[in-house]
Amino acid sequence: KAGVTQTPRYLIKTRGQQVTLSCSPISGHRSVSWYQQTPGQGLQFLFEYFSETQRNKGNFPGRFSGRQFSNSRSEMNVSTLELGDSALYLCASSFPGRMETQYFGPGTRLLVL
Amino acid sequence: AQSVSQHNHHVILSEAASLELGCNYSYGGTVNLFWYVQYPGQHLQLLLKYFSGDPLVKGIKGFEAEFIKSKFSFNLRKPSVQWSDTAEYFCAVTYGGATNKLIFGTGTLLAVQP
Repeated sequence: KAGVTQTPRYLIKTRGQQVTLSCSPISGHRSVSWYQQTPGQGLQFLFEYFSETQRNKGNFPGRFSGRQFSNSRSEMNVSTLELGDSALYLCASSFPGRMETQYFGPGTRLLVL
Repeated sequence: AQSVSQHNHHVILSEAASLELGCNYSYGGTVNLFWYVQYPGQHLQLLLKYFSGDPLVKGIKGFEAEFIKSKFSFNLRKPSVQWSDTAEYFCAVTYGGATNKLIFGTGTLLAVQP
């Protein structure tokens, strides 16, 4: 079974621009979560989508948004980029159940100049 | 606030040494516990997980972890490390009904010397 895939893998943007990252979950997985990984703050939860609805949200400003499509693919958008948004953005998917476990993709490395 | 603490930030061991990485979490309610590993240049992989039942859980590659509820701890162990275990290890917790909101520790960088 193919793993979680994320596109693009690397991205360079300038301050003020916006960016959209894409995540395709493992086949059959319906939940997609997004995390930001930085050297200073570590791994932080952004949000989770399940059945096209945001189910959980972390403590990030409204510039960070996401959505999920009917095929469970998800996109994350960051508007008005700031230098501090430079990070590795990880997507994880899971199959619904009592012992739900997240499986991570390789991430998209975003550099904001 | 809900949080996870990993006390060892950097660990250096020789091959065949035993490993124990500490993990403590806040809050005394229902928790699910995980250890993830990130090998150099690779993505996060699940090592093991605890939801309920036997507090001693076994994972991949000879790793195990013990859930001690009274100490809010979930320490990771391996009796004999190999050079290929060089990686960053993350403890993570989900609380209550937020089953997919992982709270991560800051990670422990393990270097195994051959």
